[in-house]
Amino acid sequence: RKEVEQDPGPFNVPEGATVAFNCTYSNSASQSFFWYRQDCRKEPKLLMSVYSSGNEDGRFTAQLNRASQYISLLIRDSKLSDSATYLCVVLDGSARQLTFGSGTQLTVLP
Amino acid sequence: ETGVTQSPTHLIKTRGQQVTLRCSSQSGHNTVSWYQQALGQGPQFIFQYYREEENGRGNFPPRFSGLQFPNYSSELNVNALELDDSALYLCASSQDRQHEQYFGPGTRLTVT
Repeated sequence: RKEVEQDPGPFNVPEGATVAFNCTYSNSASQSFFWYRQDCRKEPKLLMSVYSSGNEDGRFTAQLNRASQYISLLIRDSKLSDSATYLCVVLDGSARQLTFGSGTQLTVLP
Repeated sequence: ETGVTQSPTHLIKTRGQQVTLRCSSQSGHNTVSWYQQALGQGPQFIFQYYREEENGRGNFPPRFSGLQFPNYSSELNVNALELDDSALYLCASSQDRQHEQYFGPGTRLTVT
């Protein structure tokens, strides 16, 4: 079983749609959780950290369920510029290693 | 821009050769982590340097080694290159080990 699992997609959605990505992690000692965004042939960029209480940044909402070891990302009112690969990322208990999922590819269509 | 820089941008090497990749961390950051990203996969952790010492290592053989300098910049060295070493090599810097990591643009290594 992979340490961080994501649905690889691809997700193809029209502009203005709401899309949700899910992720599960296997290490219950994981300390921190993030969503990164990666454009084609570019480096990953931090989109948002994920907190136990859930957090929102504009059109983006992240949720964490530690009991179920589950993380989600919701994007509302999708824009063409949201097209990218979204990486679910977990920081291990020793705070050294980021473990990445394989990413979910999103294409927002005009 | 994150302020993390890497050099070179692209590199082509032959099997068996050695390579050194460089990373300058963001100002104020004292921790550098290195990752390998194969095509279609998420980045895989190689190792982390904190205050000039190796602070954790992923599942990579000893021919992958590194250094961190007093100014917190870092090098990744790979000896005896293999075809499977072809990948995007990313470094990420953070303030101490507990904080979010910010990535540089990466070095794309091709081994022929």
